[in-house]
Amino acid sequence: EAQVTQNPRYLITVTGKKLTVTCSQNMNHEYMSWYRQDPGLGLRQIYYSMNVEVTDKGDVPEGYKVSRKEKRNFPLILESPSPNQTSLYFCASSSGQPRIYNEQFFGPGTRLTVL
Amino acid sequence: AQRVTQPEKLLSVFKGAPVELKCNYSYSGSPELFWYVQYSRQRLQLLLRHISRESIKGFTADLNKGETSFHLKKPFAQEEDSAMYYCALSGPGETSGSRLTFGEGTQLTVNP
Repeated sequence: EAQVTQNPRYLITVTGKKLTVTCSQNMNHEYMSWYRQDPGLGLRQIYYSMNVEVTDKGDVPEGYKVSRKEKRNFPLILESPSPNQTSLYFCASSSGQPRIYNEQFFGPGTRLTVL
Repeated sequence: AQRVTQPEKLLSVFKGAPVELKCNYSYSGSPELFWYVQYSRQRLQLLLRHISRESIKGFTADLNKGETSFHLKKPFAQEEDSAMYYCALSGPGETSGSRLTFGEGTQLTVNP
């Protein structure tokens, strides 16, 4: 089944303890993105990647890192989490071709709580 | 900077009534606009895109460049339409396939 998977689905951690949220897609998509969803703010893009080793900042990149060493994986890294990073995180992927009909496929979400 | 605004956080209608979810955008150029939907306990998924001029599940949306709006409409709402709806914008260019700016979302409830 074509899909985007994220792990873990739920995570409670403490301030300053490094964590990684994994994202994987099996559709051979070139583009991958991370979003956070907060009440009243909708989804905001954190980082995106256009291909292996090509990443760029989205609208709210502060406090996050990403890497794209393989086409299928796009982990989100929080080096020193803080309570304001408590949120629901979504990973998404898209083929990028043809551009104007592009559709993003979303993962199930990871609910992160930072105490 | 590109921006998407959905003025209604909550919208409640009765089954069979018309429904319109508002979306306004700001973008200097020709954007690509989308509606995404998130049903309870399901993933966010694409509902429709303006470039396709399609009707999905009875929903349509017309891009009005003069008013910079992309409102989502359905003439007769059904209970299964209850969900969170997001309007999203993508600018042209090499990375448009990955860059999406979302609105705040509108929670639609269709009452029996």
